[in-house]
Amino acid sequence: QKEVEQNSGPLSVPEGAIASLNCTYSDRVSQSFFWYRQYSGKSPELIMSIYSNGDKEDGRFTAQLNKASQYVSLLIRDSQPSDSATYLCASGFQKLVFGTGTRLLVSP
Amino acid sequence: GAVVSQHPSWVICKSGTSVKIECRSLDFQATTMFWYRQFPKQSLMLMATSNEGSKATYEQGVEKDKFLINHASLTLSTLTVTSAHPEDSSFYICSAREGRNQPQHFGDGTRLSIL
Repeated sequence: QKEVEQNSGPLSVPEGAIASLNCTYSDRVSQSFFWYRQYSGKSPELIMSIYSNGDKEDGRFTAQLNKASQYVSLLIRDSQPSDSATYLCASGFQKLVFGTGTRLLVSP
Repeated sequence: GAVVSQHPSWVICKSGTSVKIECRSLDFQATTMFWYRQFPKQSLMLMATSNEGSKATYEQGVEKDKFLINHASLTLSTLTVTSAHPEDSSFYICSAREGRNQPQHFGDGTRLSIL
């Protein structure tokens, strides 16, 4: 059973802080990893994709992948209240396996 | 880029009705489309994977005769919920991707309420 594990949270951070979201996966042959943001009542929105070990930065977001440890993380710098949402980690090849998501709360 | 359009946004209908949901990739050709269902406060649940021109692959426990999927072109897939009942009420979301290893891009979802 291929699994993606995330802490459900909520993760609470003050505005301007760095939010760190973590994810582990069980399928060693996974090659593609994605972070999606989902606001309540809305569909997921792609934030980041990462395919190789190391860091990938895009604006305030940095994704980190460590295939040896089967670990993916997402850092959000200068967190804003508008970042409050559920963040879904996903991995897979033909089809994605999603984690249950981490709820992030950014307080003003 | 990578816009996926899903219609309708919400549907309310009587038990026994069949409902069709459309999913279109607007600015790319989607070799594969996916259909998900999400109940409140739960994670996405994959229902089926649809490749253009071939039959959909359904996940275990999903009734293929109840959830009919058609992927007739590289930009359009449809999900028809046949003889819908209240337990089929849920948030249905489609996604599309251009190729393997490419990210899935999601439509806005369809909120289905069966009375």
